[in-house]
Amino acid sequence: NAGVTQTPKFRVLKTGQSMTLLCAQDMNHEYMYWYRQDPGMGLRLIHYSVGEGTTAKGEVPDGYNVSRLKKQNFLLGLESAAPSQTSVYFCASSPSTGNYGYTFGSGTRLTVV
Amino acid sequence: SQKIEQNSEALNIQEGKTATLTCNYTNYSPAYLQWYRQDPGRGPVFLLLIRENEKEKRKERLKVTFDTTLKQSLFHITASQPADSATYLCALGGDTGGFKTIFGAGTRLFVKA
Repeated sequence: NAGVTQTPKFRVLKTGQSMTLLCAQDMNHEYMYWYRQDPGMGLRLIHYSVGEGTTAKGEVPDGYNVSRLKKQNFLLGLESAAPSQTSVYFCASSPSTGNYGYTFGSGTRLTVV
Repeated sequence: SQKIEQNSEALNIQEGKTATLTCNYTNYSPAYLQWYRQDPGRGPVFLLLIRENEKEKRKERLKVTFDTTLKQSLFHITASQPADSATYLCALGGDTGGFKTIFGAGTRLFVKA
């Protein structure tokens, strides 16, 4: 039982480059989330999805796009990376509302130079 | 704005003692509160959830209290062990208008043998 799998684990981008972070879950969870974690700050919600084909903006959505074409996958895209997007990105999933604990992936450490 | 405060200073305790971590919040009426453990380089791991109508919840050596009047939760680890050393995150969710969970920055716990 893999849970939530994120790829890649590490990435270095040049300013202006684009990339996609992949998140896959095998628990049949309806809800999926993308967070970023920066030193001294709590996890901040970027985008989330309440089911296949749906997405919604979180607290810090600017500069990111997402897609949920399949229930088990949630993609996070950076169209034109900026140094301010240097962070650790975590994907999470939950069965329905947050009245359940979230299952997190192991994270992607992204550096934009 | 909504705010979660956890002690940013690390907590150092001796093995066998009880560790107590604090989570305070403002401008929020959560339906539930969660605690997570995060090890360096890893994603958060869900530990406990307590609902607004519950005062206390226990799981093995863990105990969580939730005081909605004080807007505070206390997280206790009894008979602490060096393996309990980690960062512990508090998270709130279920406020009106959304189900999205918001996270505190966490408190680092060091348990010395």
